[in-house]
Amino acid sequence: NAGVTQTPKFQVLKTGQSMTLQCAQDMNHEYMSWYRQDPGMGLRLIHYSVGAGITDQGEVPSGYNVSRSTTEDFPLRLLSAAPSQTSVYFCASRMGTSGSTDTQYFGPGTRLTVL
Amino acid sequence: GDSVTQMEGPVTLSEEACLTINCTYTATGYPSLFWYVQYPGEGLQLLLKATKADDKGSYKGFEATYRKETTSFHLEKGSVQVSDSAVYFCALRNTGGSYIPTFGRGTSLIVHP
Repeated sequence: NAGVTQTPKFQVLKTGQSMTLQCAQDMNHEYMSWYRQDPGMGLRLIHYSVGAGITDQGEVPSGYNVSRSTTEDFPLRLLSAAPSQTSVYFCASRMGTSGSTDTQYFGPGTRLTVL
Repeated sequence: GDSVTQMEGPVTLSEEACLTINCTYTATGYPSLFWYVQYPGEGLQLLLKATKADDKGSYKGFEATYRKETTSFHLEKGSVQVSDSAVYFCALRNTGGSYIPTFGRGTSLIVHP
């Protein structure tokens, strides 16, 4: 298994540009999430999904959209990039919610800079 | 709501020193507790977990005991190595409510030779 993969690894955008961060998992996990990581702020949840066709907002959803058309893929769209969105973005997935299935698996991250 | 508080870092130690990173939590119900580790330039990965009171999670010398009476899950290691240098995150997932895990802010550990 490749686990959780993210592309691209690095990206530089200009203010106002849009782009999509890709996330895929091959573990047949139902739950997927997007986080951003900023210095001193830890991980903050942007959006999450509990299955194909179902998404919901996390702590900091403004400026981001998601969709979940398949179990495997969970792309994150930046609608109009702003310098405040400069961050490291992590995608994560897990199988379920019980004690044996609730471990989160993280991708390697996408480092985004908005100029 | 649920919350996790970790000691602020960075924690700087010499090789073979003892490590303790404090973690306390606030949650209703009976949460599962986790420690994740993030090595430089990588994503987070599970280090250990505990699902009920008095459980001890352990992995390669790292240990943490689920203390319900003190709402704590401190991470310990008896002898750290340079390769343990990383950021450590405490997290909880509440089984009684939301299934979304709550993370602490992370504690950076730097181990010098």
